[in-house]
Amino acid sequence: TQLLEQSPQFLSIQEGENLTVYCNSSSVFSSLQWYRQEPGEGPVLLVTVVTGGEVKKLKRLTFQFGDARKDSSLHITAAQTGDTGLYLCAGRENKAAGNKLTFGGGTRVLVKP
Amino acid sequence: NAGVTQTPKFQVLKTGQSMTLQCAQDMNHNSMYWYRQDPGMGLRLIYYSASEGTTDKGEVPNGYNVSRLNKREFSLRLESAAPSQTSVYFCASSEWSSGYEQYFGPGTRLTVT
Repeated sequence: TQLLEQSPQFLSIQEGENLTVYCNSSSVFSSLQWYRQEPGEGPVLLVTVVTGGEVKKLKRLTFQFGDARKDSSLHITAAQTGDTGLYLCAGRENKAAGNKLTFGGGTRVLVKP
Repeated sequence: NAGVTQTPKFQVLKTGQSMTLQCAQDMNHNSMYWYRQDPGMGLRLIYYSASEGTTDKGEVPNGYNVSRLNKREFSLRLESAAPSQTSVYFCASSEWSSGYEQYFGPGTRLTVT
C-alpha cells in the first residue's frame, strides 16, 4: 500500500493569513487529487493534478504537483472563514491499478474571523 | 439528481449484532467504494467494486462483506459488529470518463457499544 502523509495535521490561522498544506509520499502517483470535507458531509473534489510540476489555481487556492509526482501542496492566499474544513489529498496508483485512491490522513484547517 | 445516497445516517449497534449499510448512485458510474473514516486517519478503503459483478478488498476488509447488487447499488455488511468498527462510513462512486473523481455520499455514523 502506498502511503500519503499530510502535514500539518491541524492548522489554526486568522482570516487574511496565508497557509500551505503538504502531501508527501515515497511512491509515485499517476495523479493526485485534493478534496475538502465539511463537518457531517462527504469529501468534495477540489482539483486533480496529473503532470509532474503542474500548478493549478482555483481562485485563492494554488495546487502544485511535485516534479517526481511523489508530493503535492495546497496553498491558500488570504484565507477566509469559509475555507475552514478538512483537506484531504488522495493519490491514484498506476493506471493498471484502476480507480483506487489512497488518502492521506487529512489536515484540519480552522480560519478564525 | 441525488448523486450518492446512503442509509441509514446514524446507527447504534450492540457488540455481535449485524447490519447492512446501503448505498445507491444515480450517475451511471461503473466503480463504487466503501470507506471508513476515523479521527486523524483520513479515509481507509474497505472494499471496492470496479464494475458491476466484481468486488475487491481494500486496505481494511476484515469484519466486512459487500454486495454489488446492480450497477446502482453497493451494500456493506457487518456480520458481527465490534467496538473497533465504530466509525463514519462513506460510500463513493466514480467513472473513468470524469477523471476518476470520486463522488461521496453523506456518510453513516455507526457506534458499536
